Amino acid sequence: EAGVTQFPSHSVIEKGQTVTLRCDPISGHDNLYWYRRVMGKEIKFLLHFVKESKQDESGMPNNRFLAERTGGTYSTLKVQPAELEDSGVYFCASSQLAGGPTDTQYFGPGTRLTVL
Amino acid sequence: QKEVEQNSGPLSVPEGAIASLNCTYSDRGSQSFFWYRQYSGKSPELIMSIYSNGDKEDGRFTAQLNKASQYVSLLIRDSQPSDSATYLCAVSFYNQGGKLIFGQGTELSVKP
Repeated sequence: EAGVTQFPSHSVIEKGQTVTLRCDPISGHDNLYWYRRVMGKEIKFLLHFVKESKQDESGMPNNRFLAERTGGTYSTLKVQPAELEDSGVYFCASSQLAGGPTDTQYFGPGTRLTVL
Repeated sequence: QKEVEQNSGPLSVPEGAIASLNCTYSDRGSQSFFWYRQYSGKSPELIMSIYSNGDKEDGRFTAQLNKASQYVSLLIRDSQPSDSATYLCAVSFYNQGGKLIFGQGTELSVKP
């Protein structure tokens, strides 16, 4: 079974440009999460999809970030316009359940975003 | 106060020793607790989850949870150089859709 995949693995852009990150969850996983790790900080939650619906977007930093999950399969996270503080590693995770003691979130390899 | 706190390390132990990784959390509503291992440049990988007070063992790994003290730990017995990685503690709440709150992680180095 294929794991969570993310594209691209690395992205280097200039301040003010737009970047779109993609996540393909494990097939059949309705729950998809985005997280971000800024250098020197802990991994932080950004948002949670259940199928195509945004269940919780309380962690989104500001309105420069837009996440979509059309059709409830893959998801994209767009940053427009990118700022220096957006640099970090963006992780996607998916799970069958949405919490609970037996829930397991499987993480993708992450996209390392560098904004110059 | 951070919601989940871990010593950043690095924690260095000799091969074959027991590595003890600790994590404290601030919210008594925390209900499930997870230990992830992350090798440099790789994705976090779930090692153990625990939600009841006490110990949970899986091979060389034992997770310990003490909700009264708001403390969760991970013991690695017979540590191997391949265990060298960053270990992330995370908590979740049943009524919050499963989102994980992470600590900063503890870097473990197992010396041959």
